[in-house]
Amino acid sequence: SQQGEEDPQALSIQEGENATMNCSYKTSINNLQWYRQNSGRGLVHLILIRSNEREKHSGRLRVTLDTSKKSSSLLITASRAADTASYFCATGAGGSNYKLTFGKGTLLTVNP
Amino acid sequence: DTGVSQNPRHKITKRGQNVTFRCDPISEHNRLYWYRQTLGQGPEFLTYFQNEAQLEKSRLLSDRFSAERPKGSFSTLEIQRTEQGDSAMYLCASTRTGTAEAFFGQGTRLTVV
Repeated sequence: SQQGEEDPQALSIQEGENATMNCSYKTSINNLQWYRQNSGRGLVHLILIRSNEREKHSGRLRVTLDTSKKSSSLLITASRAADTASYFCATGAGGSNYKLTFGKGTLLTVNP
Repeated sequence: DTGVSQNPRHKITKRGQNVTFRCDPISEHNRLYWYRQTLGQGPEFLTYFQNEAQLEKSRLLSDRFSAERPKGSFSTLEIQRTEQGDSAMYLCASTRTGTAEAFFGQGTRLTVV
């Protein structure tokens, strides 16, 4: 079953604009990760934020986590056409197996 | 680090046939996962290995599905008597001990006709 829901399901912006995607989840988590998937390809890990962290940066990416609201957001600044992809949040419940529960994803289209 | 490798990339099979997929994880990663992804959905967990031991199986993994990881290296996922509902992308991922970041392969896209 899907743990989270990304919002919006699809987002279309112009190159240079910022893109914000949101993720809500249902159960307690140990960490939350964001992945990118280009059409028909595998997933690429972008960033991980632990449950005791509120914000994390990596290059043009900024992730926030609000465990009280069970939500996270991914901000991509100064978007590029190459950022066009589906973005998924994935939660890890902890324990020793690190299996991930994914949302349905946000399809981001960056128009040149 | 050559990444996670999956073969074949695409497989078209007739309903009722058996298929087998292979995953070669990153060599020093002891954990290996199989996920299934259907169109418009996120990946769903199928099963997980730590070294050669299969430690967890999802309810999604019916009796027609079997996975192995002999010697704790590569893994195979077999689907017997395929059904049209098995059509999906099958993704393999591996993680290093003590880390949550998963490295995914390019996936095997299965089409059952």
